[in-house]
Amino acid sequence: GQNIDQPTEMTATEGAIVQINCTYQTSGFNGLFWYQQHAGEAPTFLSYNVLDGLEEKGRFSSFLSRSKGYSYLLLKELQMKDSASYLCAPLDSNYQLIWGAGTKLIIKP
Amino acid sequence: IAGITQAPTSQILAAGRRMTLRCTQDMRHNAMYWYRQDLGLGLRLIHYSNTAGTTGKGEVPDGYSVSRANTDDFPLTLASAVPSQTSVYFCASSPRTGDTDTQYFGPGTRLTVL
Repeated sequence: GQNIDQPTEMTATEGAIVQINCTYQTSGFNGLFWYQQHAGEAPTFLSYNVLDGLEEKGRFSSFLSRSKGYSYLLLKELQMKDSASYLCAPLDSNYQLIWGAGTKLIIKP
Repeated sequence: IAGITQAPTSQILAAGRRMTLRCTQDMRHNAMYWYRQDLGLGLRLIHYSNTAGTTGKGEVPDGYSVSRANTDDFPLTLASAVPSQTSVYFCASSPRTGDTDTQYFGPGTRLTVL
């Protein structure tokens, strides 16, 4: 079957670095997306990885290892506005996104 | 401003009533999707459309129907609402061209069925 595993909740301090891990099992694989979702709002696109390695985009970076079925999202210089849920979503062989329940990130001053 | 709009923003509905959630995009995207999001669960795909004139069933299609008469609109209909359909509904669209097929989401409709 298809399965996504992410921590339910994480807490970090403003200005620090946090890594949110995601492991996945899908029927086929066509890349992996990370989305950010603030409470009461729609998900918004953060990053996409299709090849192994690290993709850096400002304070956010995303890593993929296809052989291990593993990805992480790295957030640097945390700000209070980064408090949100982070959704890991691999794209399966039918080009459908498989969504995890997300990781709720709480930033403390 | 380009994007996806959904209507209504929120709705309280009596069980057994018929309801259509509207979704319109102006990005000329080929594919459109309807998801529901419930507390503690990931987004679950209800129905999708890869291109105008075609639709497909997602993970949780029962009790819902869709149509895709043109590129821009993708309405979701609940024929006879039940309390288990209380949820937040998101419409999304994606280009379905090229290697990266990023989905962009509308603001959502919060539906309560009593």
